Amino acid sequence: QLQLQESGPGLVKPSETLSLTCPVSGGSITSSSYFWGWIRQPPGKGLEWIGSIYYSGSTHYNPSLRSRLTISVDIYKNQFSLNLSSVSAADTAVYYCFSCDSGRCFVPFWGQGTLVTVSS
Amino acid sequence: EIVMTQSPATLSVSPGERATLSCRASQRVNRNLAWYQQKPGQSPRLLIYDASTRATGIPARFSGSGSGTEFTLTISSLQSEDFAVYYCQQYNNWPPLTFGGGTKVEIK
Repeated sequence: QLQLQESGPGLVKPSETLSLTCPVSGGSITSSSYFWGWIRQPPGKGLEWIGSIYYSGSTHYNPSLRSRLTISVDIYKNQFSLNLSSVSAADTAVYYCFSCDSGRCFVPFWGQGTLVTVSS
Repeated sequence: EIVMTQSPATLSVSPGERATLSCRASQRVNRNLAWYQQKPGQSPRLLIYDASTRATGIPARFSGSGSGTEFTLTISSLQSEDFAVYYCQQYNNWPPLTFGGGTKVEIK
């Protein structure tokens, strides 16, 4: 059973970069069976897929965020990371890391979520 | 991008009654459709995948149906722990993965 847990600052200033990591336990990030990724949820709103990465480093990004987004994998630390640059108040949300099957990407494994607030 | 539309936005149901939630895709997604339940302060929980397969540990009162563009989640007899927000998600044609806007099931 995979276990994921987000870590990173809960407060980021406008125009700066939001950085989160997601260590993986119960499995290897180099497994060909999984995609790894991020989903966010603004307060009181629905779910928005941010992007996903395969262990090889191949990425898929939400077109609306692509210009500001980097998702990477660290195979030595068995974790993956999110960097979102030039943030604004609109990026305030609960950020979830997740894992899905590499063949069919429904999401059985979620992190607990971390609230990131963008404010000066 | 495939747009997922859920209806109704809010559903008021009495405990023990049946709840029927709808999800429509803007393009055919075959049966590549999942349902999630989310309670306040919690991560979403996978209920159904492949339109009708219950995830591990999900009670039999939850059932999914549909294919193509029209899907339904049915809760046969609502329990107190079922009052929550429900989301559908397509994974037939991605990126991007897309979710519906959610249906809140509240106590009548």
